[in-house]
Amino acid sequence: DTAVSQTPKYLVTQMGNDKSIKCEQNLGHDTMYWYKQDSKKFLKIMFSYNNKELIINETVPNRFSPKSPDKAHLNLHINSLELGDSAVYFCASSGAGGNEQFFGPGTRLTVL
Amino acid sequence: DQQVKQNSPSLSVQEGRISILNCDYTNSMFDYFLWYKKYPAEGPTFLISISSIKDKNEDGRFTVFLNKSAKHLSLHIVPSQPGDSAVYFCAATENGGATNKLIFGTGTLLAVQP
Repeated sequence: DTAVSQTPKYLVTQMGNDKSIKCEQNLGHDTMYWYKQDSKKFLKIMFSYNNKELIINETVPNRFSPKSPDKAHLNLHINSLELGDSAVYFCASSGAGGNEQFFGPGTRLTVL
Repeated sequence: DQQVKQNSPSLSVQEGRISILNCDYTNSMFDYFLWYKKYPAEGPTFLISISSIKDKNEDGRFTVFLNKSAKHLSLHIVPSQPGDSAVYFCAATENGGATNKLIFGTGTLLAVQP
């Protein structure tokens, strides 16, 4: 029974397209996150939502728009995809206190 | 500006021996530190953590040591097992995690040889 799940696992698309990645957690956590792991394996936070409210936005281009329909879901929509957006995107969640974050399996996005 | 650094990209250890993974940080506001383990094609998995009010935390074969004056922490795995082979990420956060913002190092690939 997967705690944090992401779909799709792989996404290959052309430059200029718009795509979405979905994330769901069944841990009852209030806070969810999106991280990006680039080609240098550097894992960096992009966004954080707490109870559907944006609390962290790490100067990510506004082509990236997170959406949280409820506290169990945090989706990531990316407009006008660029080559540099190719990366692995991880969703995570945490409970009260937030120190320990639980990660999804990742979505490998390849922009051609 | 990388606030959390893991200067060893890889480490190879014999099964049964101790593995020591190191991590340095620059931000003196960090007060909570975590280690994550990551297998290929999977997300990072929480391993062990330590608050800045402690200098050691132990959980089974895993021990994390924190040296605040040196801004250095290390993860000891003993005895090392082949299943421990993975990438290990060090992470840090401020305000006891109230900001919920983890800053990660670049990871160390541990290979435990049978």
